[in-house]
Amino acid sequence: DAKTTQPPSMDCAEGRAANLPCNHSTISGNEYVYWYRQIHSQGPQYIIHGLKNNETNEMASLIITEDRKSSTLILPHATLRDTAVYYCIVRVGAAGNKLTFGGGTRVLVKP
Amino acid sequence: NAGVTQTPKFRVLKTGQSMTLLCAQDMNHEYMYWYRQDPGMGLRLIHYSVGEGTTAKGEVPDGYNVSRLKKQNFLLGLESAAPSQTSVYFCASSYLSGKSKNIQYFGAGTRLSVL
Repeated sequence: DAKTTQPPSMDCAEGRAANLPCNHSTISGNEYVYWYRQIHSQGPQYIIHGLKNNETNEMASLIITEDRKSSTLILPHATLRDTAVYYCIVRVGAAGNKLTFGGGTRVLVKP
Repeated sequence: NAGVTQTPKFRVLKTGQSMTLLCAQDMNHEYMYWYRQDPGMGLRLIHYSVGEGTTAKGEVPDGYNVSRLKKQNFLLGLESAAPSQTSVYFCASSYLSGKSKNIQYFGAGTRLSVL
């Protein structure tokens, strides 16, 4: 699985968009970008994933650069409940095996 | 729709005691996983199962056993608990195929302390 690099922490104002970057310069052609988050003391929660195209769902948007070496998770209107550690994971889209959670980005949404 | 349910939520054991953690999913997922998470660390895979009656070792399997007698249940057993097994345990499940493959859905966790 390709290695990912994320900033260790970032703050965001409530109601504003939160843009979380992730670098994955060694990503291969069949690897997807997945985003999960873990709110304190809870199990990880799937947010979104993509291969090449930008993706949007009810939680967030995922912007993947054309060369696929980096991506950005966008929380359009951050709320206090979005305070969590966000993990960018790159792996093949086949089922099974582990998810490798790196350090992630600790996001603090402030009032 | 309950998703992934773990029982118990909390447990305190004495060294040498045994216990079983239960994970149940109602999404008809083929794959199920057990992870542990130590303070300030990421998740580490203990064991996983690709279907009823089959299990496989993850990266930290020692001291644990698992069983998957029914598709919806995945049990994690500690035969002789040790303080090093104090951790938060998460169960997850995922589909085998289709667009949602490799999206893992997690339970709320079991907090285990071994004294």
